[in-house]
Amino acid sequence: GEDVEQSLFLSVREGDSSVINCTYTDSSSTYLYWYKQEPGAGLQLLTYIFSNMDMKQDQRLTVLLNKKDKHLSLRIADTQTGDSAIYFCAAQGGKLIFGQGTELSVKP
Amino acid sequence: GAGVSQTPSNKVTEKGKYVELRCDPISGHTALYWYRQSLGQGPEFLIYFQGTGAADDSGLPNDRFFAVRPEGSVSTLKIQRTERGDSAVYLCASSNQGRETQYFGPGTRLLVL
Repeated sequence: GEDVEQSLFLSVREGDSSVINCTYTDSSSTYLYWYKQEPGAGLQLLTYIFSNMDMKQDQRLTVLLNKKDKHLSLRIADTQTGDSAIYFCAAQGGKLIFGQGTELSVKP
Repeated sequence: GAGVSQTPSNKVTEKGKYVELRCDPISGHTALYWYRQSLGQGPEFLIYFQGTGAADDSGLPNDRFFAVRPEGSVSTLKIQRTERGDSAVYLCASSNQGRETQYFGPGTRLLVL
């Protein structure tokens, strides 16, 4: 069935760039999303990319999509301690299929 | 409303009891989704409504789970004969139409003792 995979943990220093990677299996996915979840909170939509694009930039966030390899990445520039959270990649072919989440830890 | 709201925010119940979880979507959104998030996992799809009808209920784990959306806005997820394994955060999302960006509510944390 459809599957989305992410690495579980990433630790960076404040001010560095963070890159969170994701792979998916459903080539018919029309949109790919990044959501942020802080402890005890719901899912906050960060950004998304349409499947016919290969890059989208939104302030400190850059999304890269390699459709051939079914690989998606989220780059956060100038990472801050407030960026510490769990980041979920999700592929949409109707319903959303989520990865297991990447826990980003930002050290001062 | 301004966003998706869910009630209650927390629910503690005993094994075997019946629970109802409510979702109030963004005003005007025709599509509504339920997901379940277990500890340390990503959300898993349960059911999708387009208007009043369930367009896809393939994620419901068994017949103890049922959801309704009788007037095409508010939805209720119903769980009969709860089991300890049902403990999770139940998330609701809505979108303007199907296959469009989904906006999530804060979730209901269900604990079955």
